[in-house]
Amino acid sequence: DVKVTQSSRYLVKRTGEKVFLECVQDMDHENMFWYRQDPGLGLRLIYFSYDVKMKEKGDIPEGYSVSREKKERFSLILESTSTNQTSMYLCASSGYEQFFGPGTRLTVL
Amino acid sequence: QKEVEQNSGPLSVPEGAIASLNCTYSDRGSQSFFWYRQYSGKSPELIMSIYSNGDKEDGRFTAQLNKASQYVSLLIRDSQPSDSATYLCAGGFTGGFKTIFGAGTRLFVKA
Repeated sequence: DVKVTQSSRYLVKRTGEKVFLECVQDMDHENMFWYRQDPGLGLRLIYFSYDVKMKEKGDIPEGYSVSREKKERFSLILESTSTNQTSMYLCASSGYEQFFGPGTRLTVL
Repeated sequence: QKEVEQNSGPLSVPEGAIASLNCTYSDRGSQSFFWYRQYSGKSPELIMSIYSNGDKEDGRFTAQLNKASQYVSLLIRDSQPSDSATYLCAGGFTGGFKTIFGAGTRLFVKA
């Protein structure tokens, strides 16, 4: 059974704090993705990676960075959080079809 | 700009009816299409993939693809209240890594 896990389901942070979201997949997929999802705006791609140590900007990369040191692990980093980064963050991995993790609901106060 | 368009709904159908969800896409190079179901507060779950023109059936779900018209649909037969969710249509294209998602259609099935 395919599995994508995310390090936290819920996080509450204060403005300016650093946030590290980790995603792990056990499907040996090459491609991994980070999205955020906000009401009325749908899924928006932040970054994706098609290989270890490779990364590509998505549609809204500003304020985010990523790391992919191992094939199964893709991390999203928010160096200094702001209130407009309050959102649901979704990780996905794909061979051909994308499979999503359970999501992390981040609230920045 | 590659786009996938869906009617946001909500689409309301009575229990036992057929729910029909529709999607159009702009990129003729799109090769594969996907339907995801997303319950409120949860992550999207893949329910159907379709790659060729025609129909693909899986239980109560039928996906339909018409590449000439750039149109994808999902039919849910014998709709149940548990089918109430947002359905996301998505398209992928040859040589690309990304999948383009529509904004989703909210479906309500009334008991």
